[in-house]
Amino acid sequence: DIQMTQSPSSVSASVGDRVTIACRASQDIGTWLGWYQQKSGKAPDLLIYRVSTLQSGVTSRFSGSGGGSDFTLTISNLQPEDSATYFCQQANSFPVTFGQGTTVEVK
Amino acid sequence: QVQLVQSGGGVVQPGGSLRLSCEASGFTFSNFAIHWVRQAHGRGLEWVALISYDGGHKNIADSVRGRVKISRDNGRNTVYLELNDVRPDDTAIYFCASVDTPKVAWGWFGPWGQGTPVTVSS
Repeated sequence: DIQMTQSPSSVSASVGDRVTIACRASQDIGTWLGWYQQKSGKAPDLLIYRVSTLQSGVTSRFSGSGGGSDFTLTISNLQPEDSATYFCQQANSFPVTFGQGTTVEVK
Repeated sequence: QVQLVQSGGGVVQPGGSLRLSCEASGFTFSNFAIHWVRQAHGRGLEWVALISYDGGHKNIADSVRGRVKISRDNGRNTVYLELNDVRPDDTAIYFCASVDTPKVAWGWFGPWGQGTPVTVSS
């Protein structure tokens, strides 16, 4: 199985800041990388797929980049509603696997 | 409104069984593969099982293989996950999720069910 490793495990930032979350795959997954946002007590929501394509309705403050085995999720102009845990997911090969999550706290 | 609504779950003793249900509405359920993903408290997401859009293909994670069955009834727009011989480390919130592309076995997930807690305890 492909292992997905996220860093950092948590980050605290202020409103208006830019936050960057890294995700590394244990092998080349091309562009088969997605990001999810999970708010407390809720199911995950798809934010970005194929590295950088925003899901319909997702604010452009979220962006993704990378390729191969190294990927990044960037949240610009951080807002209070961005407080959540973010997971990366690879869909290059079966079984799909997820990173362990990064919790973003908005101060 | 596109949604998956889950039911079942609860507290079960070690070695016991339970069945989780996931009912879809608002989209052509019979065109989409459904997966189950679980999340232990404060932990990450672990893929558990998938069933293809027509039920012809199923796959189960190694961690639960032999103890889990997945099935679907496209007439009832429902997928079922049966957990048998449960163990304490099966304790988690179980989510069902639809693959977002028709007739594809895996990919990106959306929509998701609301999650149902399973607690294995004596």
